Amino acid sequence: NAGVTQTPKFQVLKTGQSMTLQCAQDMNHNSMYWYRQDPGMGLRLIYYSASEGTTDKGEVPNGYNVSRLNKREFSLRLESAAPSQTSVYFCASSDQTGGSNQPQHFGDGTRLSIL
Amino acid sequence: GEDVEQSLFLSVREGDSSVINCTYTDSSSTYLYWYKQEPGAGLQLLTYIFSNMDMKQDQRLTVLLNKKDKHLSLRIADTQTGDSAIYFCAESRSFQKLVFGTGTRLLVSP
Repeated sequence: NAGVTQTPKFQVLKTGQSMTLQCAQDMNHNSMYWYRQDPGMGLRLIYYSASEGTTDKGEVPNGYNVSRLNKREFSLRLESAAPSQTSVYFCASSDQTGGSNQPQHFGDGTRLSIL
Repeated sequence: GEDVEQSLFLSVREGDSSVINCTYTDSSSTYLYWYKQEPGAGLQLLTYIFSNMDMKQDQRLTVLLNKKDKHLSLRIADTQTGDSAIYFCAESRSFQKLVFGTGTRLLVSP
């Protein structure tokens, strides 16, 4: 029962470096999401993928790109990391089949520091 | 406004009841959720309530929804030290996009 798996769990980058955060789910969910969590704030949606082959911007997409590789995997890429992107990143998935409003299930997060 | 609001901090003694409050903004939200986050972990779904319900009870958890005032609360009965965590409310908007509150840190003392 892995659920949503994120890798890596921790990462330190220098400003300007690039990195891809990986996320995989084994629940056969069609929708996947990337959030960031900053101190004193709730989670903010970066990008989401309603189904395999589609991606859309969320609330804070600038500086990020995503790829829905297949139904299981949804990656988040930072092309040129900036200190403002220091955050905890969460991936989530949900089953939206038939328009049902099922809860989102979250991974344990990737803690990213950019120096 | 756009924000989902929660008080930042709540402290209770073990065995007491805890009530965590949330004010949301979108009257068309279909579902409202409560998530729990323990240190270093992701968000764990605790419970959720459909917008046409007033109350939902699940063991020690009771959710109350006041649609008129856009107010949601989570009551934890017989609070234990293991309940210490950050609790987030969230409302669903279009396409199940969740908008989260800032979280309430619950501290349970022995």
